[in-house]
Amino acid sequence: AAGVIQSPRHLIKEKRETATLKCYPIPRHDTVYWYQQGPGQDPQFLISFYEKMQSDKGSIPDRFSAQQFSDYHSELNMSSLELGDSALYFCASSWGQGGEQYFGPGTRLTVT
Amino acid sequence: AQSVTQLGSHVSVSEGALVLLRCNYSSSVPPYLFWYVQYPNQGLQLLLKYTSAATLVKGINGFEAEFKKSETSFHLTKPSAHMSDAAEYFCAVSEGAVTGNQFYFGTGTSLTVIP
Repeated sequence: AAGVIQSPRHLIKEKRETATLKCYPIPRHDTVYWYQQGPGQDPQFLISFYEKMQSDKGSIPDRFSAQQFSDYHSELNMSSLELGDSALYFCASSWGQGGEQYFGPGTRLTVT
Repeated sequence: AQSVTQLGSHVSVSEGALVLLRCNYSSSVPPYLFWYVQYPNQGLQLLLKYTSAATLVKGINGFEAEFKKSETSFHLTKPSAHMSDAAEYFCAVSEGAVTGNQFYFGTGTSLTVIP
């Protein structure tokens, strides 16, 4: 069965650069969630989208923005990167806002 | 508000011994509860979930968990630990569509299996 796809899997950026992470949900899933997991930390919810509209917002910095496109894929845009942004970024998708979330493999961002 | 507490950030068991990882939650509505396993440098893999059906939930790799409303607990167990069980385990709670379905994770428990 198709799973959640995230690209790239690994990304290295320098401070103050920008990064774009992509998430392709499971086919027919209409809801996407973004989580950030710092080193040795638990995943923290950043933001979610349902039917291309932002549905909930967590601890997402103002330097980050995200959107969901007409094909339901989502992109997380990160600007003015800081060393503390180095983390594993997970995307999850579900069918409907109450559906079970399926997690992607994550994108490991390293900021040097 | 939802939250998850995992008691014990590190648990060590001998191979073949019982595995018990503790999770307590708080939720203002009937929760959905999940256990995920994460191997080094990998993503989150769902072990099992509770979604208001049977209180004893069986998952993959021989793991199971019991939802106890009176104790607000959802502890993860496995009768006999295997070396391949060494990983990080996360308990998570969600209130479903009531509050946007976002997951709240515990801080994780690192399981070490001693040969």
